[in-house]
Amino acid sequence: AQSVAQPEDQVNVAEGNPLTVKCTYSVSGNPYLFWYVQYPNRGLQFLLKYITGDNLVKGSYGFEAEFNKSQTSFHLKKPSALVSDSALYFCAVRGNTGFQKLVFGTGTRLLVSP
Amino acid sequence: IAGITQAPTSQILAAGRRMTLRCTQDMRHNAMYWYRQDLGLGLRLIHYSNTAGTTGKGEVPDGYSVSRANTDDFPLTLASAVPSQTSVYFCASSNTANTGELFFGEGSRLTVL
Repeated sequence: AQSVAQPEDQVNVAEGNPLTVKCTYSVSGNPYLFWYVQYPNRGLQFLLKYITGDNLVKGSYGFEAEFNKSQTSFHLKKPSALVSDSALYFCAVRGNTGFQKLVFGTGTRLLVSP
Repeated sequence: IAGITQAPTSQILAAGRRMTLRCTQDMRHNAMYWYRQDLGLGLRLIHYSNTAGTTGKGEVPDGYSVSRANTDDFPLTLASAVPSQTSVYFCASSNTANTGELFFGEGSRLTVL
């Protein structure tokens, strides 16, 4: 069965500094990997995904993520954080064959201070 | 605007009562899902449907039922609510012909007393 681990409950970063939100996964076969963001009292919004191809994936709002197969990781990154990036971030994984359900991590709260 | 509509947005319910959370999508997606979100536990899948007329159990199905009579609607029913079902419930949909990106509704906050 697939699973996702987000080892940090919260990440604190100053505005303008780079940020990283960590994610590791477990899945049979090749993974489809996703990042979602949730703002207060809202539903989850899709940020980016890795399906195949380049290991560095670029997404919305200047975010990117790097797929590392040997480390089974898919860390979310941004070169320069904004206060408005403060939100809850979820990593998710599914297998790439047939109909498979998306499994989410427990989420990491990102707090960007001015 | 295309998307997913959930109702109600918030509800307080007495234990033992029956409650149906409604979910409608207008994107013609074939798959739909119900998740619950609880602090420290992330999102957990309750039930899903990969096409109209079929449903399946997720991670935490006990105490919940779903139906999928058509493509657009996917209601979630709590037959007899209990306090442990206090949560925020999210409906989502995806087009299984692509790579499985989910689109979420805005959530229904349910409190069972």
